[in-house]
Amino acid sequence: AQSVTQPDIHITVSEGASLELRCNYSYGATPYLFWYVQSPGQGLQLLLKYFSGDTLVQGIKGFEAEFKRSQSSFNLRKPSVHWSDAAEYFCAVGARGSSNTGKLIFGQGTTLQVKP
Amino acid sequence: DTAVSQTPKYLVTQMGNDKSIKCEQNLGHDTMYWYKQDSKKFLKIMFSYNNKELIINETVPNRFSPKSPDKAHLNLHINSLELGDSAVYFCASSPHTGNTIYFGEGSWLTVV
Repeated sequence: AQSVTQPDIHITVSEGASLELRCNYSYGATPYLFWYVQSPGQGLQLLLKYFSGDTLVQGIKGFEAEFKRSQSSFNLRKPSVHWSDAAEYFCAVGARGSSNTGKLIFGQGTTLQVKP
Repeated sequence: DTAVSQTPKYLVTQMGNDKSIKCEQNLGHDTMYWYKQDSKKFLKIMFSYNNKELIINETVPNRFSPKSPDKAHLNLHINSLELGDSAVYFCASSPHTGNTIYFGEGSWLTVV
């Protein structure tokens, strides 16, 4: 079955420290990959996406993610976290080609807390 | 201008009532969606429409009825509300299926 796993439910980092949020997926083929962020009481904002090409993708707010086919992973990173990055982060996958209905399958989310 | 807008943002209502959530996108997209986020923040698709045609219905109870009067609008009507319907409902759109999906701000529904 198709699934997305974010192993870390809750992460706390100090402001200025580096961050890595993990995402693993189970899919029949390489899917489209996304990271979304949800600030408290807000909607979902797209951080970045991977469709093809360079496996290291850059996103907004200084985030990047690396697609590793061999590990079925798409981990999100940021070199220096800001207090405003405290939010819920969701990894999601979507099908390619003729299977593509636009449906996204989401992970359960990782809550990021930033210490001053 | 908000790209995907939904109203109301907050809704508190009693069990058994019927309510609607409206959604509009001004991005010129062909495909629109409704996603539900439960109390554990798990997100799951409910419906999608492409050019006003229903293409995904994820075994949602038939108390939930989407309506797409045109490709810029996708409304969600819920009959006979139950406590378990309390959730955040997100409207979203994409240029077509298989492209990046853009979400609205969400509608927080509380059934009491």
